[in-house]
Amino acid sequence: EADIYQTPRYLVIGTGKKITLECSQTMGHDKMYWYQQDPGMELHLIHYSYGVNSTEKGDLSSESTVSRIRTEHFPLTLESARPSHTSQYLCASSESGIGTYEQYFGPGTRLTVT
Amino acid sequence: DQQVKQNSPSLSVQEGRISILNCDYTNSMFDYFLWYKKYPAEGPTFLISISSIKDKNEDGRFTVFLNKSAKHLSLHIVPSQPGDSAVYFCAASAFGSGNTPLVFGKGTRLSVIA
Repeated sequence: EADIYQTPRYLVIGTGKKITLECSQTMGHDKMYWYQQDPGMELHLIHYSYGVNSTEKGDLSSESTVSRIRTEHFPLTLESARPSHTSQYLCASSESGIGTYEQYFGPGTRLTVT
Repeated sequence: DQQVKQNSPSLSVQEGRISILNCDYTNSMFDYFLWYKKYPAEGPTFLISISSIKDKNEDGRFTVFLNKSAKHLSLHIVPSQPGDSAVYFCAASAFGSGNTPLVFGKGTRLSVIA
């Protein structure tokens, strides 16, 4: 059973506010990911990390930033939220090593910027 | 340019019958394919996967078929149950080339009618 948590589950916030979406996993996975998904669309990778102090940008350009100071924690920050940031944000993690390719997803954060 | 395509946005099937969800890909470097299931307001959950060295993988009611020459894979669910109603995402990765992030399709919404 995958144990990956995201908070908050839902967030409605005004334009210009700074927000941090939290993601934690208790499986000791080295690899963690952030995806953005709009209704009816594919999941777009926006950030990923292969270990502590390692972060990379994904395929979709994003104004968000991430940090990976601890293995279990991978928060995503938006310095100044805009209505275009309204979306669902999904965090995932996976093991390292050969033959371990499945990613386990958290429940997601539904963000609405007014 | 979409590398993973799910051309049917929705599919309706009667309970007990077979559901067939299709996925096409364009990147010949993809060597691992996964299917995820997603309920509303939840994160995707891993269903089944297949390596490019195989052409079929079966797990209970779920079977994935891979046709490398056609760059096509399909997920068969037999028999379909009302609890299978969800959005199904196809995902692919080029693990052999060291690139592990997954590329997702837009999903197919399956409705199983009792």
